[in-house]
Amino acid sequence: RKEVEQDPGPFNVPEGATVAFNCTYSNSASQSFFWYRQDCRKEPKLLMSVYSSGNEDGRFTAQLNRASQYISLLIRDSKLSDSATYLCAVTPGGSTLGRLYFGRGTQLTVWP
Amino acid sequence: NAGVMQNPRHLVRRRGQEARLRCSPMKGHSHVYWYRQLPEEGLKFMVYLQKENIIDESGMPKERFSAEFPKEGPSILRIQQVVRGDSAAYFCASSGGTNNQPQHFGDGTRLSIL
Repeated sequence: RKEVEQDPGPFNVPEGATVAFNCTYSNSASQSFFWYRQDCRKEPKLLMSVYSSGNEDGRFTAQLNRASQYISLLIRDSKLSDSATYLCAVTPGGSTLGRLYFGRGTQLTVWP
Repeated sequence: NAGVMQNPRHLVRRRGQEARLRCSPMKGHSHVYWYRQLPEEGLKFMVYLQKENIIDESGMPKERFSAEFPKEGPSILRIQQVVRGDSAAYFCASSGGTNNQPQHFGDGTRLSIL
């Protein structure tokens, strides 16, 4: 079983739509959770950390569900510039503290 | 530029040659990580280093790959006797610690093997 699994999509939504991505992780001891965005042939850029109580940054909301071992990202009022691949990342903790396990990414295309 | 700096951006090597990829962490960061991204695949952890120490190299291939982060200068990922399968994007990231500290990535080095 993979450490982190994501629905690869693609998600194709019109401008202004709300879209949600989920990501599941296999290690219940995982400690830190992040969402990154990666544009084509570019580096991953940190979008937001995910906290236990959930957190919001503008149009982006991240949630963590430890009981079901998944994290989610909600994007409201989608913009054309949101088109990218969204990667969830998890730090397993314990002896592997430091490394990030990434999902393969969910591709989002926002059309006008 | 206080971000993570990687060079070169693009590197072309022939089979059997050596590839050296360099990474300078973000200012104030002492933790460096290397990841590899194969075409159409996700990012895979390779190695985690601090100054003069390899903390976790469990993601490194057993042969031909090595990494260092000397007291002075950038971190180096070295691939000896490259093969076609080494063609990938290699990303370096840095962080200020491991406890909930996010990792910030450099632009990557795109390695092509002829």
